[in-house]
Amino acid sequence: KQEVTQIPAALSVPEGENLVLNCSFTDSAIYNLQWFRQDPGKGLTSLLLIQSSQREQTSGRLNASLDKSSGRSTLYIAASQPGDSATYLCAPGEGNTPLVFGKGTRLSVIA
Amino acid sequence: DAGITQSPRYKITETGRQVTLMCHQTWSHSYMFWYRQDLGHGLRLIYYSAAADITDKGEVPDGYVVSRSKTENFPLTLESATRSQTSVYFCASRVEGANVLTFGAGSRLTVL
Repeated sequence: KQEVTQIPAALSVPEGENLVLNCSFTDSAIYNLQWFRQDPGKGLTSLLLIQSSQREQTSGRLNASLDKSSGRSTLYIAASQPGDSATYLCAPGEGNTPLVFGKGTRLSVIA
Repeated sequence: DAGITQSPRYKITETGRQVTLMCHQTWSHSYMFWYRQDLGHGLRLIYYSAAADITDKGEVPDGYVVSRSKTENFPLTLESATRSQTSVYFCASRVEGANVLTFGAGSRLTVL
């Protein structure tokens, strides 16, 4: 059974700082990994999807990396802004099997 | 409107009552999912469906019933609500073979 761990559980940084969120998973036989953002009281929004054949995926100030063999992914946020404050969740994907989610990292960016 | 909609957004009920949470998607996605989100537990899968008339249990199915007579709808029923079912419920959908999951806005259920 896939287990997903996200560290840290919460993070508070000043505006402008670069930061890294970590995701680890126990079953490395994955097809891809997805990062989501969740704002308070809202649903999840997909940010990035990395295929298992890729090592990185970028969208604007976000860069996600995947090391399948070691069961790790990182989400790098450059030049953080208060609008980045949210909870970030990762979910490794195994074909048509439903996604298993980590508990998320709650990020606060202080102006 | 295109997308995935959940109703009601907020519901308060009493222990023992039946409650149905609705989920409707406009894309004809084959897969649909119900998750619940609780502090300390994160998102946990309740039930999912690969197509109309095909449903499967997830991690926490007890106390819940689902049906999928039409591709676009996936209602979740709590037959006899309990306080432990107080939670935020999320419906999601995706196309078969793709892992980009799209979520609804959630239904916050309180069982008194």
